[in-house]
Amino acid sequence: GQQLNQSPQSMFIQEGEDVSMNCTSSSIFNTWLWYKQDPGEGPVLLIALYKAGELTSNGRLTAQFGITRKDSFLNISASIPSDVGIYFCAGYSNSGYALNFGKGTSLLVTP
Amino acid sequence: KAGVTQTPRYLIKTRGQQVTLSCSPISGHRSVSWYQQTPGQGLQFLFEYFSETQRNKGNFPGRFSGRQFSNSRSEMNVSTLELGDSALYLCASSLTGSSGANVLTFGAGSRLTVL
Repeated sequence: GQQLNQSPQSMFIQEGEDVSMNCTSSSIFNTWLWYKQDPGEGPVLLIALYKAGELTSNGRLTAQFGITRKDSFLNISASIPSDVGIYFCAGYSNSGYALNFGKGTSLLVTP
Repeated sequence: KAGVTQTPRYLIKTRGQQVTLSCSPISGHRSVSWYQQTPGQGLQFLFEYFSETQRNKGNFPGRFSGRQFSNSRSEMNVSTLELGDSALYLCASSLTGSSGANVLTFGAGSRLTVL
């Protein structure tokens, strides 16, 4: 599959802070997805992006499909303790049939 | 509606044994994909089934196999287990699968430990 580079690998922040994470690929993607995984559970879809330049929000979460189609960003505003978990970017390339995943960003939020 | 259901949630096997994992997709979803998740390699695609046919396959050895039944339920089997097969095995379903607007909905996974 396609290699996705996700950064940062981990973040340790205080409640109320904003968070940014990003994902880049070596090839063009036609769909970008952001998932969150809690311990002992499967990934849960947060936001789906289908068009270059698209900016989509889901509550305090905002994600963007990069103009180059090789990157995507996820922002979390005013973080709260329940935001703790691992966030994964994922996407489909033009030639791919499998959903490719980044290695994840582990987020810890202290009260 | 019910989500993706995977059984068993946890299991322990010894090297050389074989294991079968089960997945019931969301009602109406015809595509089922399987992923292996490990701390070192992350989420890696195993295979995808649609209408009882394996449509796509990842880069795993032949010890990993699967099938899909007429009701879209799927099973995956790993034979001759190795220590490195210890992982969380995730099943995901979608309406039609294979890229595009078909986002995957994941189950909670089956945690396999090989001793």
